[in-house]
Amino acid sequence: GAVVSQHPSRVICKSGTSVKIECRSLDFQATTMFWYRQFPKQSLMLMATSNEGSKATYEQGVEKDKFLINHASLTLSTLTVTSAHPEDSSFYICSAGDRGGQPQHFGDGTRLSIL
Amino acid sequence: QKEVEQDPGPLSVPEGAIVSLNCTYSNSAFQYFMWYRQYSRKGPELLMYTYSSGNKEDGRFTAQVDKSSKYISLFIRDSQPSDSATYLCAMSPSGGYQKVTFGTGTKLQVIP
Repeated sequence: GAVVSQHPSRVICKSGTSVKIECRSLDFQATTMFWYRQFPKQSLMLMATSNEGSKATYEQGVEKDKFLINHASLTLSTLTVTSAHPEDSSFYICSAGDRGGQPQHFGDGTRLSIL
Repeated sequence: QKEVEQDPGPLSVPEGAIVSLNCTYSNSAFQYFMWYRQYSRKGPELLMYTYSSGNKEDGRFTAQVDKSSKYISLFIRDSQPSDSATYLCAMSPSGGYQKVTFGTGTKLQVIP
């Protein structure tokens, strides 16, 4: 079964709305969570890395004030897209990893559509 | 040059065929090698995971890593229509808490 749960799976909202996406690790403690964005027919683009209890590290070109990340516990990270606009429409995917050397597991993604 | 190169396909094979998917990489620091399968509108699902060089088999899937050539492969035996998906190779210097570098993905279609 799924080891990483992502919610919601689909969001449609008006321009200017802020949208929160949750990512939960279900049966392990995720010391690190990653947020990706994926455009149609393209690979995953890493947006940011978050470690529990500390500030997220953003990739070059990703606006930290636009994409707020909170990793408050070892099982939950949230991504908030603030004042979303149509160009923010995309498929957002989270993944989680621990320090045990096992590879990352991914959530099922959130399809965000801004009208 | 990209750190990880993967033929995007699409690759179309008849049901029952053996499928070979490959990636090359340039960063010799990579130690962990993964293959993920992604169905349309879904997140990537971990298929195979190998540390350093060697082979690993799981059912119809075999992963091979040749660090000397910086080349990794995924073989799918007796391919099924349900194997139709995009296959992403991924690699990192350390375990799951470190940044992973992905290939662009190969789209596979298995025709009944």
